[in-house]
Amino acid sequence: AQSVAQPEDQVNVAEGNPLTVKCTYSVSGNPYLFWYVQYPNRGLQFLLKYITGDNLVKGSYGFEAEFNKSQTSFHLKKPSALVSDSALYFCAVRGRFSGNTPLVFGKGTRLSVIA
Amino acid sequence: EAQVTQNPRYLITVTGKKLTVTCSQNMNHEYMSWYRQDPGLGLRQIYYSMNVEVTDKGDVPEGYKVSRKEKRNFPLILESPSPNQTSLYFCASSLRVLAGGPPDTQYFGPGTRLTVL
Repeated sequence: AQSVAQPEDQVNVAEGNPLTVKCTYSVSGNPYLFWYVQYPNRGLQFLLKYITGDNLVKGSYGFEAEFNKSQTSFHLKKPSALVSDSALYFCAVRGRFSGNTPLVFGKGTRLSVIA
Repeated sequence: EAQVTQNPRYLITVTGKKLTVTCSQNMNHEYMSWYRQDPGLGLRQIYYSMNVEVTDKGDVPEGYKVSRKEKRNFPLILESPSPNQTSLYFCASSLRVLAGGPPDTQYFGPGTRLTVL
């Protein structure tokens, strides 16, 4: 079975400081990994994805994530947080050999960037 | 503009009164999906469709129906809504899901907030 965990319901960070939103996963074999962001009263928007290749993935709005196979993690990072980054962040996974099964989403982490 | 649209955006109804939430995409996407979002539970998939006339259950399909008669539309039907279906619903679409291949980026609609009294 596939699963993804976002261990923190809430992350608070001061504006200008680096931010990390954590994600760990469990799949058979190698994963496909995604990060989505949800701003208030909006649908989810794609941020970045890891399919294969370089473990460090760069995405929209200055975000990046590092795929760590040994730790089964895909943490989202940004060097300098902005107040406008405050939103709900979702990690999603699907196993590479899971056929056409849908993505599994985490429960979400609410990021609050304080000015 | 490429987008996924949902209607209505807000709906308050009563138990047992059949309702339909429409979803339409203009990107010629093959794959469409419905999710519900509940506090503390994140996003859970209700149904998905790989293409026209091909639908399958997600994680929480009970109490819901879908149809995919046209590529662009994927309505969600609640035949007899109950209060536990009060939730925020999202429709999503993506280009394709190839057998054994990576899932494409999904594009989400703005959401439908449903309250069942």
